[in-house]
Amino acid sequence: GAVVSQHPSWVICKSGTSVKIECRSLDFQATTMFWYRQFPKQSLMLMATSNEGSKATYEQGVEKDKFLINHASLTLSTLTVTSAHPEDSSFYICSAPRRDRLRLNEKLFFGSGTQLSVL
Amino acid sequence: RKEVEQDPGPFNVPEGATVAFNCTYSNSASQSFFWYRQDCRKEPKLLMSVYSSGNEDGRFTAQLNRASQYISLLIRDSKLSDSATYLCVAFPSGGSYIPTFGRGTSLIVHP
Repeated sequence: GAVVSQHPSWVICKSGTSVKIECRSLDFQATTMFWYRQFPKQSLMLMATSNEGSKATYEQGVEKDKFLINHASLTLSTLTVTSAHPEDSSFYICSAPRRDRLRLNEKLFFGSGTQLSVL
Repeated sequence: RKEVEQDPGPFNVPEGATVAFNCTYSNSASQSFFWYRQDCRKEPKLLMSVYSSGNEDGRFTAQLNRASQYISLLIRDSKLSDSATYLCVAFPSGGSYIPTFGRGTSLIVHP
């Protein structure tokens, strides 16, 4: 079953509105979550690292006032695209690392992604 | 130079073929490595972990060569359903702790 849950899967909105995307770790605590954006036929682009209880760390070129990240609990991170415009239309994916009990290394699990279309 | 590099392909192979992908990484401190599979407009899904001792899962074999800093994925007896983009991922051993993705290698298996 899913390890990381992401909602909604699809969003169609008018230009200027804000859209909130939720990412939940289902059976483990995630002090860190990652938010990615992916344009068609392009590679995953890391937007920011979400840290529980502290400010997110944004990658260069990503506007923190436009892409608001909140990680208020150990199982939930949210990404809000504020005042969305057509150029923000993209596939947004969250991920969270979970420790493998056997190998003691961490594996990255992804949410199912959110396809955002801004009209 | 990107930290993790992959040939984007596409690799176009017939069913039943054996195909191999390589991925090189520049950060020698990288600790853990994985191969992910991503279908169009879907999230990446973990395919397998990569160890120096090699890792085999059915038709898939992954290998890590720390000396040369590359990882490989071998797919035997390709199926049509193997068509996807394959991403290699390197986890750092410390510091920023941000996993680094290659841009992915596209595989197309045709009848």
